[in-house]
Amino acid sequence: GDSVTQMEGPVTLSEEAFLTINCTYTATGYPSLFWYVQYPGEGLQLLLKATKADDKGSNKGFEATYRKETTSFHLEKGSVQVSDSAVYFCALSVSGGSNYKLTFGKGTLLTVNP
Amino acid sequence: DTGVSQDPRHKITKRGQNVTFRCDPISEHNRLYWYRQTLGQGPEFLTYFQNEAQLEKSRLLSDRFSAERPKGSFSTLEIQRTEQGDSAMYLCASTLPPAGELFFGEGSRLTVL
Repeated sequence: GDSVTQMEGPVTLSEEAFLTINCTYTATGYPSLFWYVQYPGEGLQLLLKATKADDKGSNKGFEATYRKETTSFHLEKGSVQVSDSAVYFCALSVSGGSNYKLTFGKGTLLTVNP
Repeated sequence: DTGVSQDPRHKITKRGQNVTFRCDPISEHNRLYWYRQTLGQGPEFLTYFQNEAQLEKSRLLSDRFSAERPKGSFSTLEIQRTEQGDSAMYLCASTLPPAGELFFGEGSRLTVL
């Protein structure tokens, strides 16, 4: 079945540090890939997405590139801020089906200290 | 606020009681999803609706769980004879295909004592 594996947390960084959160996937079809973010006390929000191989999704300084050859979609940001502290979820949705059902990873808690 | 809203935000109940959660999706969205999230885990798919039709149910959705969307707008998720293992955050999301992005509510947290 479809699955997403993302790096275990928690991740603690200082402000302005470089961030990488690894995400790899297994899918029976050709997936679209997503990163969702959950800030404390809030619902999940879409951060970025990519729908085909070599696409780069980007938003708020975060980037992730859809790598079909390594089945990966790693999240990166060059300089994190305290306000980036949140839980980050990698997810996939298999194209070809019409249900838009998302399969999530376990999430990675990021804490950014000033 | 025109986002997805869920009610109640937190429910504490005793084992064996029934509970019901409500989700109001974004008004023009015809797809509605329920997910369950336990501590330290990502959300797990439970079921989804297109308009009033329930199109898919996960094996996670035991016979004690029932979801409805009678008029294709709001949805309810009922859990009968709750068990401690039902303690989780229940998330609702909606979308309007073919956009694909799911918009999530803040969730309803269930604690079964």
